[in-house]
Amino acid sequence: AQKITQTQPGMFVQEKEAVTLDCTYDTSDQSYGLFWYKQPSSGEMIFLIYQGSYDEQNATEGRYSLNFQKARKSANLVISASQLGDSAMYFCAMRVTLGGAQKLVFGQGTRLTINP
Amino acid sequence: SQTIHQWPATLVQPVGSPLSLECTVEGTSNPNLYWYRQAAGRGLQLLFYSVGIGQISSEVPQNLSASRPQDRQFILSSKKLLLSDSGFYLCAWTRPGQGATYEQYFGPGTRLTVT
Repeated sequence: AQKITQTQPGMFVQEKEAVTLDCTYDTSDQSYGLFWYKQPSSGEMIFLIYQGSYDEQNATEGRYSLNFQKARKSANLVISASQLGDSAMYFCAMRVTLGGAQKLVFGQGTRLTINP
Repeated sequence: SQTIHQWPATLVQPVGSPLSLECTVEGTSNPNLYWYRQAAGRGLQLLFYSVGIGQISSEVPQNLSASRPQDRQFILSSKKLLLSDSGFYLCAWTRPGQGATYEQYFGPGTRLTVT
């Protein structure tokens, strides 16, 4: 079964430090995609970064990078130089194909708190 | 540019009352549409998805139903709400054939409290 596991319910980090949020996935598909979304207290889901299963290089978007280790089935999010505005819930998700549509399977999330 | 709307933003309803949540997308045609529910402090659970008008697929058996009367309109309904229907409901869309990512774009959500 396709599943996403985020083992860190909460993380506390000092401002300006780097932080790694863990994500492991389980799938038997050869082609899949991995996403990270940020959900601030307002509730909106903000897309951060995407990694395709065939991408050889780790994805990067500004201060966000995805540490993709395919053999270990992990897709950790790294935020460099954290800021107070980074405090939010972070969700890892995997794209799977379902009946002609693309479905996202989400992990339980990690609540990140940045301390000043 | 594309925009996704949801209303209402907040709703408090008694047990046994009906429900209708609406989601509309602007600026695109023939999107794939999705309804998710998020319980407090939890991840998102896919409830329904639709690849076209009148085409609805249900992910989990439940007290809810969905309809797509127009290309860019997706409605979540219930005839009688249960306490367990409380949660944060998110609508999302993707462009069909948009390429490898199939990134989903989310609406602002509806926070439903059943009392």
